[in-house]
Amino acid sequence: QKEVEQNSGPLSVPEGAIASLNCTYSDRGSQSFFWYRQYSGKSPELIMSIYSNGDKEDGRFTAQLNKASQYVSLLIRDSQPSDSATYLCAVITFGNEKLTFGTGTRLTIIP
Amino acid sequence: DAGVIQSPRHEVTEMGQEVTLRCKPISGHNSLFWYRQTMMRGLELLIYFNNNVPIDDSGMPEDRFSAKMPNASFSTLKIQPSEPRDSAVYFCASSLGFGAETNEKLFFGSGTQLSVL
Repeated sequence: QKEVEQNSGPLSVPEGAIASLNCTYSDRGSQSFFWYRQYSGKSPELIMSIYSNGDKEDGRFTAQLNKASQYVSLLIRDSQPSDSATYLCAVITFGNEKLTFGTGTRLTIIP
Repeated sequence: DAGVIQSPRHEVTEMGQEVTLRCKPISGHNSLFWYRQTMMRGLELLIYFNNNVPIDDSGMPEDRFSAKMPNASFSTLKIQPSEPRDSAVYFCASSLGFGAETNEKLFFGSGTQLSVL
């Protein structure tokens, strides 16, 4: 079982709709959770971090964490063509201090 | 700050040759990471340093790979001898360090696209 799993997609969403990206992780000791965005041919950049159960909102982005079920999700409201990218889920496990990435979900926003 | 600087941007070499990738982290960052990205395996952590000391190299695929960080502003990843299966994008990233929420953001360099023929 991979440490961090994501549906590779591609996920296609109409412009203006909500895009929902999901991620599961295997280690219950994981304590820090991140979403990185990577445009084609570019390097990953951090867009959201979440540490506690529940929702965290930042503009059009909402990260959701459920430690009991070991999943973290990212919602993008009012999706824009500029949101088309690969979204990478990443976790840090306490005592491990390694940032482990999922393989990413490719998101395409259709105008 | 110019961000994390990697060189070269592209490297094409022949099987068996030595390859050296270079990285300059953001000034003041204590942690440095080398990742490899392929379509099949995604982003894999190869090794990371904290205060110039290698902390975890369990991701280094085999003895052909080695990494050094002689000082706080420079790191190298060397592959000797290189093989076609090493073809990938290699990213260097730096951060203020783990253990505090505000420090855990990774800043990535632009990457080195390595092609081994």
